[in-house]
Parts: sequence; C-alpha cells; structure tokens
Amino acid sequence: QQQVRQSSQSLTVWEGETAILNCSYENSAFDYFPWYQQFPGEGPALLIAIRSVSDKKEDGRFTIFFNKREKNLSLHIKDSQPGDSATYFCAASAGTNAYKVIFGKGTHLHVLP
Amino acid sequence: GALVYQYPRRTICKSGTSMRMECQAVGFQATSVAWYRQSPQKTFELIALSTVNSAIKYEQNFTQEKFPISHPNLSFSSMTVLNAYLEDRGLYLCGALTGENTLYFGAGTRLSVL
Repeated sequence: QQQVRQSSQSLTVWEGETAILNCSYENSAFDYFPWYQQFPGEGPALLIAIRSVSDKKEDGRFTIFFNKREKNLSLHIKDSQPGDSATYFCAASAGTNAYKVIFGKGTHLHVLP
Repeated sequence: GALVYQYPRRTICKSGTSMRMECQAVGFQATSVAWYRQSPQKTFELIALSTVNSAIKYEQNFTQEKFPISHPNLSFSSMTVLNAYLEDRGLYLCGALTGENTLYFGAGTRLSVL
C-alpha cells in the first residue's frame, strides 16, 4: 500500500495561474513533509518542507497547506512560470528516522506559456 | 546553503563489472548520508544509511556485499556497485542529513549497464 499518495500523475496549468498539487499519507507517525522538485536528468532538490506542528508554510511563491486530522497536504505554486515545469515529489518521514524518506510517485507539472 | 556534490554524473559499465560513486557535502557536516536509488520508473528505494563512526544500516534487498559504502569523515561518502547488472540501472542519489534532520540530495550518478 502506498504510504504517500499524490493524487495526480500530471497537472497542466497556464502561466500565471496557481498550481495545486495534492498529497495524502497513511502513517500517523510521519511528522516531517518535504516537497522535492526534480528536473529531467537532475536529482530531487528540496523545495519547501513543513513539520506536523504547523498547518501552513510559505516560501515565496510556494506554500504548503497541511491538515493533520485529514492526513493530507497540498503544495500551491502561485503565479506559475514555464520554468516551474518539473516533477514534484511529496515525501514524508518520522521522528528520528528522518533519513527514511517515503516518496510519493510524483506529479509532473506542465506550465504552458 | 547545504550543497551535495556527486560524481560522476553519468557512468556506463559492462554487465558484471563494478563502479564507484562519490558524494561530498559542502557547507555543512553530513553526520549521516543516506544512499537512494531512483529507478527508471522514478520510484525511490533507500539502499543504506551511513553514519560516521557507526555501522552502516542496509535496507532489505540491499547488502554490503553488493553495495559497499565508505564514510570516512563528515563531508565525504562513497558507494560501489559491485557486479552491476541490468536491474542495477538507475539514478543513485546521495542524501546528506543536516543537523535539523533535513535531507539534501545531490544531482545523482546515473548508472547505465550494457
């Protein structure tokens, strides 16, 4: 059973729109949720992360909304740019096993000019 | 910020041969390094966790005999893929763990096997 699920394999938005990428998880012990951005041929780069004690984390155009009760979270990318086109991985880890990151299958975002 | 360099970026080896990949943390001390493999289908597998001055913890399906790891200091780690075969193809990622328990990945070493 997939412990971290991303609801869409692919998402297309127009430049300037807000892209919303959704994610849910199974394990209540998860307390750290990073989002990684990966371009073709590159490794996953940490984009933004949230800990379960918070319900929102903002960094520039990127915002994570977190709902602990519902065990879901979403990444909002405001004013999407063609350069944001990449695969976004929602991930989770628990406590002292922070190195054991469980990844979702990724959402491929296309931002059309 | 935290930077992780991996080299080589790409490598091709003949079936049955071995190759070594390296990982260097810059700007922070990587007490622990987690090696992952991303398959051609983009799924991630944790291979092992290496912590300086501790035994290396290998995940199920991965062994020291196949993926020996060296982690001699707080900025450097290396892993070798011994007797590489087709199923070992993929992007090998070094993830360095910071003091805040955040995992930063390098760009990866892409292994192709002929």
